[in-house]
Amino acid sequence: DQQVKQNSPSLSVQEGRISILNCDYTNSMFDYFLWYKKYPAEGPTFLISISSIKDKNEDGRFTVFLNKSAKHLSLHIVPSQPGDSAVYFCAASAETYGQNFVFGPGTRLSVLP
Amino acid sequence: DSGVTQTPKHLITATGQRVTLRCSPRSGDLSVYWYQQSLDQGLQFLIQYYNGEERAKGNILERFSAQQFPDLHSELNLSSLELGDSALYFCASSDPTGFRRGYTFGSGTRLTVV
Repeated sequence: DQQVKQNSPSLSVQEGRISILNCDYTNSMFDYFLWYKKYPAEGPTFLISISSIKDKNEDGRFTVFLNKSAKHLSLHIVPSQPGDSAVYFCAASAETYGQNFVFGPGTRLSVLP
Repeated sequence: DSGVTQTPKHLITATGQRVTLRCSPRSGDLSVYWYQQSLDQGLQFLIQYYNGEERAKGNILERFSAQQFPDLHSELNLSSLELGDSALYFCASSDPTGFRRGYTFGSGTRLTVV
């Protein structure tokens, strides 16, 4: 039973355009969310986070949106750059309950020059 | 360099064998997590240790075991290896105050069982 889902295994976007990566979750106890980025032959690295008390968090070209009623979050990258090509993992946690992060299966983003 | 060190980077072994993967967490981090990433799969949580004690268990097979030593490094032991155990094994660490930035991952150990 996958509690965190990323239904698009891959996504291709033209350089300079917007990339939108989606993540859905089923556990209503989740109250803290992260996005990780992973390059080949490297471990995942933290990208951006959002708490359930917010619906948006922005960091430079990266913005995460959270829709609690729909149990959905998305990561927007604007503008997309070739260096953004990587696998992006969504992760969720019931922080209030001290639970560990649950990861989604990842979406492979390819930004085409 | 994330500060989390995993050795070896690559491991090739035969079915039925036993291997040990090693992880040194980032300085100051007390928690160590082990994850498995099979081909085109997500990160599957295996087990967590906190300051030497097992804290949480995920989908870890009985053939697998782990421990965290007094110096906080951790080892993941995989025995009676099967072809399906071929995967990337990641170690991650965190400290109690760093939860909001998630875990810091090592670069992984690629295990190939032939």
